[in-house]
Amino acid sequence: LAKTTQPISMDSYEGQEVNITCSHNNIATNDYITWYQQFPSQGPRFIIQGYKTKVTNEVASLFIPADRKSSTLSLPRVSLSDTAVYYCLVGGGFKTIFGAGTRLFVKA
Amino acid sequence: NAGVMQNPRHLVRRRGQEARLRCSPMKGHSHVYWYRQLPEEGLKFMVYLQKENIIDESGMPKERFSAEFPKEGPSILRIQQVVRGDSAAYFCASSPNEGRNTEAFFGQGTRLTVV
Repeated sequence: LAKTTQPISMDSYEGQEVNITCSHNNIATNDYITWYQQFPSQGPRFIIQGYKTKVTNEVASLFIPADRKSSTLSLPRVSLSDTAVYYCLVGGGFKTIFGAGTRLFVKA
Repeated sequence: NAGVMQNPRHLVRRRGQEARLRCSPMKGHSHVYWYRQLPEEGLKFMVYLQKENIIDESGMPKERFSAEFPKEGPSILRIQQVVRGDSAAYFCASSPNEGRNTEAFFGQGTRLTVV
């Protein structure tokens, strides 16, 4: 399973756009990229999934360059409630590898 | 449509006792996964089950841990003779099928504390 590398933590202020980049150099041809969000004392929650180029939903956008060796989760206009850990996963499946994720802290 | 339900949310056990963690998957989901999470760490895969079958338990400790997903009822993760190192959050997830890119739906977890 492809391993991922993402920043350990990030700080932001309310109303700003936050971009979290994930590296996955060994991504397989048929792997999708999935992002989960985890609040304290809760299970992870699916945010967005994509294969290439750009995907957008009501919560976030996901940018994937042509070589697919990295991806960027973009959270528009974050609020205090977006403070959470964000996990970048590649391939999914039952042995999904959750690394330590990126701890996003949004300040007022 | 209820999500993945785990109970209890919090469980305290003394060393040497048994812990039973329950997970009811989302309606229509026949694939269940258990993960363990230590503080400040990511989730680590433990076991993957379908109804009445253990598909992959490569992440389970060889001793004291077992899991089942009976034809009727919830999936159970059982830890015998608990030790302090078993203290962690245990999450269950379910999905309608098993594919490399399948979305998994997680429960709120059971926080086990061994005293």
